This record gives sequence, structure tokens and C-alpha cells, in this order.
Amino acid sequence: DQQVKQNSPSLSVQEGRISILNCDYTNSMFDYFLWYKKYPAEGPTFLISISSIKDKNEDGRFTVFLNKSAKHLSLHIVPSQPGDSAVYFCAASARVAVSSTGKLIFGQGTTLQVKP
Amino acid sequence: DVKVTQSSRYLVKRTGEKVFLECVQDMDHENMFWYRQDPGLGLRLIYFSYDVKMKEKGDIPEGYSVSREKKERFSLILESASTNQTSMYLCASSSIFVLVSGYTFGSGTRLTVV
Repeated sequence: DQQVKQNSPSLSVQEGRISILNCDYTNSMFDYFLWYKKYPAEGPTFLISISSIKDKNEDGRFTVFLNKSAKHLSLHIVPSQPGDSAVYFCAASARVAVSSTGKLIFGQGTTLQVKP
Repeated sequence: DVKVTQSSRYLVKRTGEKVFLECVQDMDHENMFWYRQDPGLGLRLIYFSYDVKMKEKGDIPEGYSVSREKKERFSLILESASTNQTSMYLCASSSIFVLVSGYTFGSGTRLTVV
């Protein structure tokens, strides 16, 4: 049962335009969300996060939006650059989970290609 | 520069072999994790550990075991490798403040079982 879903396996955008990556979740207990970026032959790296008490968090060219009622979050990259080409994973956590580890549940990933 | 180091980048093993994947972190993190990454399935949690000698099953623990004898080292063991365990294996660590800092991942081990 996939609790975190990224329904678009791939996305292609032109350099300078906006990239929008989407993520849906089913577990209403999730209250913290993160985005990771992964290049081939490297491990994922943390990009940006958002708590459920917010609906937007911004860091430079990256903005994450959270719509709790729709159980949906999105990552906006503006402007997109060729170096942004990578696989993007969204992840979610329920801080009230039994374990204190803050276990993250990841989506399937979306491969972003930014064309020069 | 903080690091999570996985001992091998590429491994080729035969069906039935016992396989050890090693992971070491230098950040004094309490939590360590093993994930596998497969196309279309994303990152799936195999096992995690929140303290030395402590372990918990993740979503897909079948066919795997783990060992954490020291805080900095977390080993994934494939007791009898099978072809369906061919995958990219990713180790990660985090502090107890994981929700602020996120996980730190290693570079991954690409395991092929033939």
C-alpha cells in the first residue's frame, strides 16, 4: 500500500521555466514532509521540508506547497536549470508514530529533465 | 564534511551467497536505515536501528537481516542472495532531530545477483 505517491514518473521542462513536481499522500497522520534530490550513482540529498502547520516554505529557487485538505504537496523550481536534472523524491513522516526515529516514507520518484 | 560511507559501490554475487553490505557514519547519529531503490517503486525501507544493538523491521525485511554492534556502523546481510535482491541499496543516518535535518544518505551499493 503506497502511502506516498508520485504519479508522474518523469517531467521535461525548458531551462528558465518553472518545474512543478507533485506528491500525494494517504495517511492523515503524516505531519512533516521533505523533498530529496538524487543524481545517478549518488545518494539522495535533502532539499527542502515543510511542517503541516505551514502551507508554504521557500528556499531560494525551491518552494514547497502543502494542501492538507487534499493531502497533496508540490515542489516548484523557478527558474529551472539544467543542473536540476535529477530524480526527485518526496517523503513523509508522522511524528506521533510509535518509533522515535521519525521514519520517512518515500514516494516512487519523478525524473526531471531540464533542457538547455 | 559529514559522511555516510558504504563500503562498495558495485557488487556482483551469485545466487545463494551470503552478502554483507557495510555502512559507516561519522556524525554520531543515533538512527541508521537501510533502503533499496527500484525503478517505479522508489525507496523502500528494509530495516532501521535507533540505537546500538537495536533494530526494527521496515516495510520489506524478508530475506534480510541487520547488525549494529557499534553506533557508527550498520550492516545489512543477505542470508542467501536471490536474483530478486538485485537492486540499489542505500544506507542513511539521522540524528534524533531527523525532522529538522532530514536523513544523510550514502552513495549507494549497486548489487547484482546472478
